[in-house]
Amino acid sequence: AQSVTQLDSQVPVFEEAPVELRCNYSSSVSVYLFWYVQYPNQGLQLLLKYLSGSTLVKGINGFEAEFNKSQTSFHLRKPSVHISDTAEYFCAVTQRDDKIIFGKGTRLHILP
Amino acid sequence: NAGVTQTPKFQVLKTGQSMTLQCAQDMNHEYMSWYRQDPGMGLRLIHYSVGAGITDQGEVPNGYNVSRSTTEDFPLRLLSAAPSQTSVYFCASKDQGVSYEQYFGPGTRLTVT
Repeated sequence: AQSVTQLDSQVPVFEEAPVELRCNYSSSVSVYLFWYVQYPNQGLQLLLKYLSGSTLVKGINGFEAEFNKSQTSFHLRKPSVHISDTAEYFCAVTQRDDKIIFGKGTRLHILP
Repeated sequence: NAGVTQTPKFQVLKTGQSMTLQCAQDMNHEYMSWYRQDPGMGLRLIHYSVGAGITDQGEVPNGYNVSRSTTEDFPLRLLSAAPSQTSVYFCASKDQGVSYEQYFGPGTRLTVT
């Protein structure tokens, strides 16, 4: 069965500092991986996705993630965060034609 | 395209009442799903459907029923609401093609007293 672990429930970081949000998954077959963002009192929107090909994936708002098959990880990074990045971030995994499972989320707090 | 729409946006129920949360999509997606979001628990899959007439259970199906008579609609039924079902409910549909991206509705905030 698929599962997703987001290792940090909350991450505080100073404005303009870099950030990494960690995600590990478990699956016995090839997977597709996603990061979604939820701004306060809003729905979810897709940040980026890994389907195949290059292991470094670039998304919206300056975020990127690296797929590491040997480590079964898909960590999200941004070199310099802004106050507008305050949100909850969800990692998700799916297999072809199968259900999508989400992690428990990581709240990103930007400190002035 | 309207995308994924959900009604109502807010609902208050008394324990034991029943109701149906509506979800519709106009993107001709075969896959649709329902999640509930609770603080610290992330999004948990309730039920999903890979096409009209086909439904399956997710991680937390107890207390909820679904049916899928058309490609467009995927209603979620609470037969006898309980306070533990107080949550924010999201419906989503997925492109089964190349992108596999899941599109979310705006959510329904349900309170059961």
